Amino acid sequence: AQKITQTQPGMFVQEKEAVTLDCTYDTSDQSYGLFWYKQPSSGEMIFLIYQGSYDEQNATEGRYSLNFQKARKSANLVISASQLGDSAMYFCAMREGPWGGKLIFGQGTELSVKP
Amino acid sequence: EPEVTQTPSHQVTQMGQEVILRCVPISNHLYFYWYRQILGQKVEFLVSFYNNEISEKSEIFDDQFSVERPDGSNFTLKIRSTKLEDSAMYFCASSEGSGRYEITDTQYFGPGTRLTVL
Repeated sequence: AQKITQTQPGMFVQEKEAVTLDCTYDTSDQSYGLFWYKQPSSGEMIFLIYQGSYDEQNATEGRYSLNFQKARKSANLVISASQLGDSAMYFCAMREGPWGGKLIFGQGTELSVKP
Repeated sequence: EPEVTQTPSHQVTQMGQEVILRCVPISNHLYFYWYRQILGQKVEFLVSFYNNEISEKSEIFDDQFSVERPDGSNFTLKIRSTKLEDSAMYFCASSEGSGRYEITDTQYFGPGTRLTVL
């Protein structure tokens, strides 16, 4: 079974609108971390946001927020006020255990922001 | 701001040759990782390294692969005899690591080395 599932291979959003990128995960660990990374066409992996399994509040980092629904095992990324520079591949990843563990990545969602 | 660096940015090699990919992790980080991404696919874990030894490795990380921390700053991935299917982007990452549950232990990635095996 897939540990991380991103069901949207591609998404389009109009500039200045908000967009939600879906991510569901599967783990039996009590302690885990969820991450979102952005990969622009240049190829680097840029860390965006983190949510810990014990965190009761949804994480926010500027225009990025993570809609964490633990019972449903989902960790959706919300980007508010999309910008042209947000066009990129977005990966959801999970680390099982509190620290030092490998990241398991989803297949990614390619986001295109239209002017 | 501290960052992970990788050299070279692009490496072209002939099948059967040995390659060494180099990384300089963030200086106060304790965990180091290698991942690879075949073109158009998801990122896959290869190996993690802590306290001068491998802490975890994937099925991909077979006897053709090895990692080393030859000095206090560099972290290397060696592929002994490259195959066509080793062509991929190789990412090095590092994380702080800690016994405290409240830190994120975010893995910060280098810019990658694109390996092309001909």
